[in-house]
Amino acid sequence: EPEVTQTPSHQVTQMGQEVILRCVPISNHLYFYWYRQILGQKVEFLVSFYNNEISEKSEIFDDQFSVERPDGSNFTLKIRSTKLEDSAMYFCASSVGHSNTEAFFGQGTRLTVV
Amino acid sequence: LAKTTQPISMDSYEGQEVNITCSHNNIATNDYITWYQQFPSQGPRFIIQGYKTKVTNEVASLFIPADRKSSTLSLPRVSLSDTAVYYCLVGPGDTGFQKLVFGTGTRLLVSP
Repeated sequence: EPEVTQTPSHQVTQMGQEVILRCVPISNHLYFYWYRQILGQKVEFLVSFYNNEISEKSEIFDDQFSVERPDGSNFTLKIRSTKLEDSAMYFCASSVGHSNTEAFFGQGTRLTVV
Repeated sequence: LAKTTQPISMDSYEGQEVNITCSHNNIATNDYITWYQQFPSQGPRFIIQGYKTKVTNEVASLFIPADRKSSTLSLPRVSLSDTAVYYCLVGPGDTGFQKLVFGTGTRLLVSP
């Protein structure tokens, strides 16, 4: 079964550093997403991406965050100047379409900011 | 997006049928109902989606009454491995279901 893969599985970084979380969506999918889940809390939408541009973003997704699809397979989330409160599981997801289609989630990257 | 309400937790035993009901009183005409499952430290996983009446797949059934103000996820003969958090989501099917809005979900604990 095709799957969304994320690397690394766990990232530890010092406060103020920049991190890049990487995702390889399912190959024929056209819509890509990032979500995060702070420990013990809800899964929160960050951003959706289609046709090489952001199609929707939440208020969490401020100037500290950016996304990119640098080539035909990878989809990255960059977090600049990390803060302690950025510590969370970050999930990448992809879907074939945007309407009535299921989103496939990756296993997540656990980001720990120290 | 319509607000959803579901029980915080449920307990069951292996082999039992589990029904988790979700209320969505403000569901819009073009909204679909989708259920996701999440195991600890894993990403959510799609279970089932429906618009009205009944939908069944190899994993679960989804019952939606005519007024669509609620829905019930039915898991037949649960096993220990069904212990997870189950999320009910409601969102537009025509303008794009791009943003999944997760609530707190229902934490299902299956015991031997």
